[in-house]
Amino acid sequence: QVQLQESGPGLVKPSETLSLTCTVSGGSISSYYWSWIRQPPGKGLEWIGYISYSGSSTHNPSLKSRVTISVDTSKNQFSLKLTSVTAADTAVYYCARGWGLFDPFDLWGQGTLVTVSS
Amino acid sequence: DTVMTQSPDSLAVSLGERATLNCKSSQSVFFSSNNKNYLAWYQQKAGQPPKLLIYWASSRVSGVPDRFSGSGSGTDFTLTISNLQAEDVAVYYCQQYSSTLFTFGPGTKVDIK
Repeated sequence: QVQLQESGPGLVKPSETLSLTCTVSGGSISSYYWSWIRQPPGKGLEWIGYISYSGSSTHNPSLKSRVTISVDTSKNQFSLKLTSVTAADTAVYYCARGWGLFDPFDLWGQGTLVTVSS
Repeated sequence: DTVMTQSPDSLAVSLGERATLNCKSSQSVFFSSNNKNYLAWYQQKAGQPPKLLIYWASSRVSGVPDRFSGSGSGTDFTLTISNLQAEDVAVYYCQQYSSTLFTFGPGTKVDIK
């Protein structure tokens, strides 16, 4: 069955860029909408942004212009870049699938903890 | 932004009893064009990612036990867990997907009394 797996550094220094990749296995990245969602330790869920298989994307305005989400259909992957990170960006980062633009997230990766610290 | 609130923050229920979780949205998530409420419920167990339980406010995901049911419309929604089992201990989140700024509620923690 389709699975999602996040990968990337677990430690990022303040002011640097957080970079994560989500690999989709067992199915095609084509169709569906692909999101990044994060969860600070012990806290709730925050949607970061999404990208469609065709490359259209949007992100949470609360993150201002720090977010870039891209897709590589040849590798069945999509990626997140978050610039100028601070300790407030420390969280478990999940990638997730939505059936369409206005649909819930039916499939999630296991999540990866990213700590922002010098 | 559509702000989601949930109540209570936590509750403890005896095995076999009913748990009632509430979710409110600051704006209606109902669209009359298709008669659907853009509201989902997720279950998150410790150390695991969230799992989709309910979508369109009341449609149960295939494989989810029928003791989980969702109801409500507009701005007020309820997740009911009938006959609570030990494996239902988790945090439950509601989420609206009526706009492209998806938002989650803060969660309700369910424990066994």
